[in-house]
Amino acid sequence: EAQVTQNPRYLITVTGKKLTVTCSQNMNHEYMSWYRQDPGLGLRQIYYSMNVEVTDKGDVPEGYKVSRKEKRNFPLILESPSPNQTSLYFCASSLFTGAGTDTQYFGPGTRLTVL
Amino acid sequence: AQSVTQLDSQVPVFEEAPVELRCNYSSSVSVYLFWYVQYPNQGLQLLLKYLSGSTLVESINGFEAEFNKSQTSFHLRKPSVHISDTAEYFCAVKAGGTSYGKLTFGQGTILTVHP
Repeated sequence: EAQVTQNPRYLITVTGKKLTVTCSQNMNHEYMSWYRQDPGLGLRQIYYSMNVEVTDKGDVPEGYKVSRKEKRNFPLILESPSPNQTSLYFCASSLFTGAGTDTQYFGPGTRLTVL
Repeated sequence: AQSVTQLDSQVPVFEEAPVELRCNYSSSVSVYLFWYVQYPNQGLQLLLKYLSGSTLVESINGFEAEFNKSQTSFHLRKPSVHISDTAEYFCAVKAGGTSYGKLTFGQGTILTVHP
C-alpha cells in the first residue's frame, strides 16, 4: 500500500531534550516536506527537500533541522525543543516532475507536546 | 508569493442541507488549487484539485469546486451533506509552471453536520 508513515504518532517531552520525528514514504517520491498545524493558522511549511541531499527552508524553519540521506526518509529534528513547538506535525511527499501539478500525500501526523 | 483566505472558520449545518465553504486566494502568477479534508484524528486527504481545463471539478463523494479566476476564488460546495462529512477542510494553492511544490494553506474550515 502506498503511504507516508510517521513515528511516533504522539510524543510528550520536556524543554531542551533533543528529539527526532521520522518520516518514510514507499512511493519513490523525490519531493518531501514537513508542515506544522496550529489552530487558526492552517498548515505552515517548515522544511522541504527536492531530492537526496537537497533541502531548503520553508516558512517557519527556526528551531528545526532536517536531513535527506535516503530518498524514502526525511526525519525532522528538534535539537532543543521549546513549548512554542507544541503542535501537530505532518510529513508529505510527492513526485517532482517540475510542472507543479504533482499531488502531495500526507502522513497521519505526529502530535508533539513540549512541557 | 501566494496566500489563501478561508472566509469561515466554522460552518455548522444540518444533515441533507447544502453547504458552501469559501476560499479566496491571491497570487501574481497562475496557480493550481486544492481542497484537502482532515477527518478527526487523521491526516490530510486530497479531496479535489484544479490544474487546468474545466473550471468545475468534482470529487468522488459529491463535493465540487469551481475555479473563478476573476474573483480569485475556489469555493467548495455540496448539495446535500451527511454526518460523515464532518471534518476540517483546507484550501491550498501552489504556483503554476515550474513550481518546486510548495503548498500554501488556508486557515481551515471546520464543517460540523448535525442530525
